[in-house]
Amino acid sequence: DAGVIQSPRHEVTEMGQEVTLRCKPISGHDYLFWYRQTMMRGLELLIYFNNNVPIDDSGMPEDRFSAKMPNASFSTLKIQPSEPRDSAVYFCASSSIPNVNTEAFFGQGTRLTVV
Amino acid sequence: RKEVEQDPGPFNVPEGATVAFNCTYSNSASQSFFWYRQDCRKEPKLLMSVYSSGNEDGRFTAQLNRASQYISLLIRDSKLSDSATYLCVVIATDSWGKFQFGAGTQVVVTP
Repeated sequence: DAGVIQSPRHEVTEMGQEVTLRCKPISGHDYLFWYRQTMMRGLELLIYFNNNVPIDDSGMPEDRFSAKMPNASFSTLKIQPSEPRDSAVYFCASSSIPNVNTEAFFGQGTRLTVV
Repeated sequence: RKEVEQDPGPFNVPEGATVAFNCTYSNSASQSFFWYRQDCRKEPKLLMSVYSSGNEDGRFTAQLNRASQYISLLIRDSKLSDSATYLCVVIATDSWGKFQFGAGTQVVVTP
């Protein structure tokens, strides 16, 4: 398996534009997570899905952020409209049923810069 | 208060020395614990799970103290390649599936 695949790796956009980040989890994993990482706030969990259903979106900063998982092999995180404070590295991760022996596998991240 | 808290460091460690640091968690329903490692500008990767009785993986030893709600990581005989940020991760039974990360502790091993 190629691991968790995220695209794009880098995104530079102007304030006010729509940004869509994409993620393909590892096949067979039931859980998918979207994290945001900044120097100031560390790694924040934005939302996670179980079997394509959003379980907890309490970390989504505001209505400008939305996430979907239309099927087991694809998820998107959308920011509309984007703002400079959204600049961060966005990671997608997937795992099987979480327990002490489970690993969350991360994609390489999308580095978003909003100017 | 954050659910998982770590000393951000940096911990500056001479090569060959031992370094140890803790992570505290606030949710008493926490059941699964992990240490992840993150290299600069890379994604986090699992270093080791933390078992109730404590466990070792080579030069790395992890401990869990449920009474005081913290986990620890000890690195013996530090190598230059151990320089990284170490992230504490917790899963609680009242939010099952949710990998909750600390902000990380930076370790810098110097020659």
